[in-house]
Amino acid sequence: GIQVEQSPPDLILQEGANSTLRCNFSDSVNNLQWFHQNPWGQLINLFYIPSGTKQNGRLSATTVATERYSLLYISSSQTTDSGVYFCAVGDTGANSKLTFGKGITLSVRP
Amino acid sequence: NAGVTQTPKFRVLKTGQSMTLLCAQDMNHEYMYWYRQDPGMGLRLIHYSVGEGTTAKGEVPDGYNVSRLKKQNFLLGLESAAPSQTSVYFCASRPSGATDTQYFGPGTRLTVL
Repeated sequence: GIQVEQSPPDLILQEGANSTLRCNFSDSVNNLQWFHQNPWGQLINLFYIPSGTKQNGRLSATTVATERYSLLYISSSQTTDSGVYFCAVGDTGANSKLTFGKGITLSVRP
Repeated sequence: NAGVTQTPKFRVLKTGQSMTLLCAQDMNHEYMYWYRQDPGMGLRLIHYSVGEGTTAKGEVPDGYNVSRLKKQNFLLGLESAAPSQTSVYFCASRPSGATDTQYFGPGTRLTVL
């Protein structure tokens, strides 16, 4: 199956700093999603981005499918950005089951 | 719309007991999924369904059974719970269209003693 590697595993930022989170995957995909899991455990969809670039406020994401990686950018970080960020990819099969990376734990300090 | 809901939110079982987790969605989605999340492991797919009356195995199906008798509901059963099934369980659903975005429920925290 597809392998998903996220880096770095842990990240500590001062409020206001910018950061880049990386997701590498081992095969062609037709689905790539970024999620934020908040400290209460809720999974929140950030982006559906199998290719290209999208922006939503202070967050943006870029996926280069031909090179099998995706980047999530967080600008002007806030304490509410803390939590775990997951990248999940779906293979090119019809059922598009998602394979998750192990996540990146982000802590934003005030 | 309530989106994806899960019942119960928390449960403690003794080894060997059985239980059923209920996932319900009101978005008329075709596809539904059950995942488990363990520390440091990300989410792993247990079983999934591509439509009413269908089920299929995911990455870690052993010890679990599922049923999809109604389109809006996806049930996950543990016939004889084991401590290794202590985990947080997430249900998700998605439409059958091209966007493939999965929408997740709030999770069920299960402890097996």
